[in-house]
Amino acid sequence: EAGVTQFPSHSVIEKGQTVTLRCDPISGHDNLYWYRRVMGKEIKFLLHFVKESKQDESGMPNNRFLAERTGGTYSTLKVQPAELEDSGVYFCASSQAGLRETQYFGPGTRLLVL
Amino acid sequence: GNSVTQMEGPVTLSEEAFLTINCTYTATGYPSLFWYVQYPGEGLQLLLKATKADDKGSNKGFEATYRKETTSFHLEKGSVQVSDSAVYFCALEDSSYKLIFGSGTRLLVRP
Repeated sequence: EAGVTQFPSHSVIEKGQTVTLRCDPISGHDNLYWYRRVMGKEIKFLLHFVKESKQDESGMPNNRFLAERTGGTYSTLKVQPAELEDSGVYFCASSQAGLRETQYFGPGTRLLVL
Repeated sequence: GNSVTQMEGPVTLSEEAFLTINCTYTATGYPSLFWYVQYPGEGLQLLLKATKADDKGSNKGFEATYRKETTSFHLEKGSVQVSDSAVYFCALEDSSYKLIFGSGTRLLVRP
């Protein structure tokens, strides 16, 4: 069974540009989460989808971040326009339907904003 | 609010040494607790978990016991290997089912 995949693995952009990160969850997983780790600090929650619906987006830092999950399958996280403080590693995780199911993480996308 | 505190790294050990990485938490109720590991160049992997007080999670020789009285979930391994070199993250699952992580502890095991 394929795990959670993320694309790209690395992205280097200039301040003010737009970047779109993609996450493909494990097939059949209804829950999809985005997290990020900024500057070696703790990993912080961004948002949670259940199928195509946003269940919890309390961790989204501001309106420059837009997440979508088309058809309840893959998800994208767009940052527009990117700022220096957005640099970090963005992780995606998925879990089976229901609550308190183990979250399986992808390898992350390392974003550097110059 | 909910939070997780784990010991600062890096932790440097010789092969076959005993490992302890401390983790304490603050939470309402009794959340599930986790240890995740990130090996170089890879994503986060679930190492072990415990869902209620006094539960012991174990995997690959690592163990952690859910201690309600001390609000702790320390990670231990009796004999570390070079291949255990990684970053270890302690986490709790809050009432909204999202994970709250500690800052991570880098472990370096030397031959």
